[in-house]
Amino acid sequence: QLQLQESGPGLVKPSETLSLTCTVSGGSISSSQYYWGWIRQPPGKGLEWIGSISDSGSTYYNLSLKSRVTIYADTSKNQFSLKLSSVTAADTAVYYCARHVRGGAAGTGGWFDPWGQGTLVTVSS
Amino acid sequence: EIVLTQSPGTLSLSPGERATLSCRASQSVSGSYLAWYQQKPGQAPRLLIYAASSRATGIPDRFSGSGSGTDFTLTISRVEPEDFAVYYCQQYGSSPYTFGQGTKLEIK
Repeated sequence: QLQLQESGPGLVKPSETLSLTCTVSGGSISSSQYYWGWIRQPPGKGLEWIGSISDSGSTYYNLSLKSRVTIYADTSKNQFSLKLSSVTAADTAVYYCARHVRGGAAGTGGWFDPWGQGTLVTVSS
Repeated sequence: EIVLTQSPGTLSLSPGERATLSCRASQSVSGSYLAWYQQKPGQAPRLLIYAASSRATGIPDRFSGSGSGTDFTLTISRVEPEDFAVYYCQQYGSSPYTFGQGTKLEIK
């Protein structure tokens, strides 16, 4: 059974870089059937897709965050990671990693299943 | 960017009643590339429906999805006590992949 687990600091200072890692077990991130994605949810609010990475290392970002986001993978550890630079209080959220199942046109896009349990990151000095 | 608007914001029902949740897109969602998720407090979202009408593995058949173009619906035929939660729709027809703001299904 595929499981995902986020890890990283729960508190980040304004203007610094948020760094999270997602460890995948029960399956390989090298599978061509899937992307691997990050989604966030500010407290009490809705969901926002941040970006995803493919098995080949191609990345796809939400344009609203693109200038600050980097997603990369370490296939040897079966992990993928998120870096978000120049954070502000608006970046305070629960950050989820998820398998991004290819299901859109020409194998792009898709739904998220399963999800990690999520990790709360607070941006505060 | 495709904006998804869910209605109602809150739906108050008793167990055993039928629930109808709406998701309307600001422009047509190509290929009916729409998913539905259920989220309970303190938990991650769980996939219910993908491709507008296909149930995910292990999802009870009281959950069904329908729709195309700009109008999509999630129906729970008979609401069970464990179904009270927040429900989100998500489109994956075009990037950025966006979510609706959610519908809270609460006990009446």
